[in-house]
Formats: sequence, C-alpha cells, structure tokens
Amino acid sequence: DTGVSQNPRHKITKRGQNVTFRCDPISEHNRLYWYRQTLGQGPEFLTYFQNEAQLEKSRLLSDRFSAERPKGSFSTLEIQRTEQGDSAMYLCASSPRTARGHSPLHFGNGTRLTVT
Amino acid sequence: GQQLNQSPQSMFIQEGEDVSMNCTSSSIFNTWLWYKQDPGEGPVLLIALYKAGELTSNGRLTAQFGITRKDSFLNISASIPSDVGIYFCAGPYPNNQGGKLIFGQGTELSVKP
Repeated sequence: DTGVSQNPRHKITKRGQNVTFRCDPISEHNRLYWYRQTLGQGPEFLTYFQNEAQLEKSRLLSDRFSAERPKGSFSTLEIQRTEQGDSAMYLCASSPRTARGHSPLHFGNGTRLTVT
Repeated sequence: GQQLNQSPQSMFIQEGEDVSMNCTSSSIFNTWLWYKQDPGEGPVLLIALYKAGELTSNGRLTAQFGITRKDSFLNISASIPSDVGIYFCAGPYPNNQGGKLIFGQGTELSVKP
C-alpha cells in the first residue's frame, strides 16, 4: 500500500491558463474522489468515479473543470481558463467498495494551485 | 444543505492536557469519521464510528458516536506537540451510497510544550 499519490504538489499559473493534475489511487481501490479545500475550510466534494465511470459531480464543478479516469486507475483533473478563485488545495482520495456501503476515504497530499 | 458544525474552531493548550472537541449536525448520520490534517498534507483517518453510542479508541484518541446520531465527540488525552493540526469530522451524505463525504470546518489544535 503506497498510498494515494498526487502530482504536482504545487502549481503556480497565470489567470487564463489551463492546468492538469494527476492522482494515482491505492491500487485495489475502485472508487476515486476529487475534493477542493480552501484556507480555513474542510474539504468540499467535487466529483467521484467508480472504476472508469464518473458517477456524480458537485455543482461546484463548473464547466471549466473536467475529470477523467480512463482506465479505472489514475485520474486527471483539468481546469481550463483558470481564475483566481480557483486557487485552492485539490485533494484526491480513494476507497474500496465494501459490503458496508461506505468505507473511509484515503487522501493524497493534494496539489496546491495558485492562480496569479 | 447538509452542514457539520465543529466546536471549538481553535484550541490552545499546554502539553499534557486533555482535549475535547465535538461535531454536530442538523441531520442524522449513519457513520462518523474523524480525520487529522497536518500543514501541507492531506487528511488522515483517525477513527471511524458506525453505530450510535459506539465508543472507539485509537491510542490516546477516543471518539464517540452520539446516541441521537446527530453528533460525535473526539477526545485526546495527555496531548503532545505532534497532536498539533486540524481535526475534521466527516460523514457520508444520508442515503448516499457513493461514499461522498461532507466535512466540518475543522478544529485547529495548538499544543504548547
């Protein structure tokens, strides 16, 4: 168990540029989640995948945001035409699906995005 | 919408003291989770609670699932400097089988050696 891995750890970009983040979940976990966290707040749900299927998207996820998990393993989160309000920590988490119906999420260390 | 309210927002304590924090909701939760987040890192799961009234310990940490299912408590005994961080409660949205979690706003703990 190597944990959830996120790259890059930090990204500084100019307003209007596109950025892409990558998440590698724990290998046996079929659920993958993206969250956003701003200073002084708890993580906020953005979207999640079960295997390669994106099953839910938050209304926080504007049309400038897109997430993929093409082979049911790693995932990417792309933000197009970044705005200063997109500055945040973007967290990825994964979990197995169990008979209990809910398993705790295991988080990566996040990608901190700064839009200047 | 759904909200989890954590109290207190921040705590400044002396090393060796015990700590108590809580989390309340206007809605019933079937699972309560407590996470800790260190600066620059992702949240790490501390304790998971699955049954009303359940009391679970993890070392010096003890958490309880409130019997009303609308609250949970986390206690830390004999605090040490490495307990510093932000503690989040979290729970799955009711009737949500996708595992989506809602988080409180966190309790920031500072420990003075």
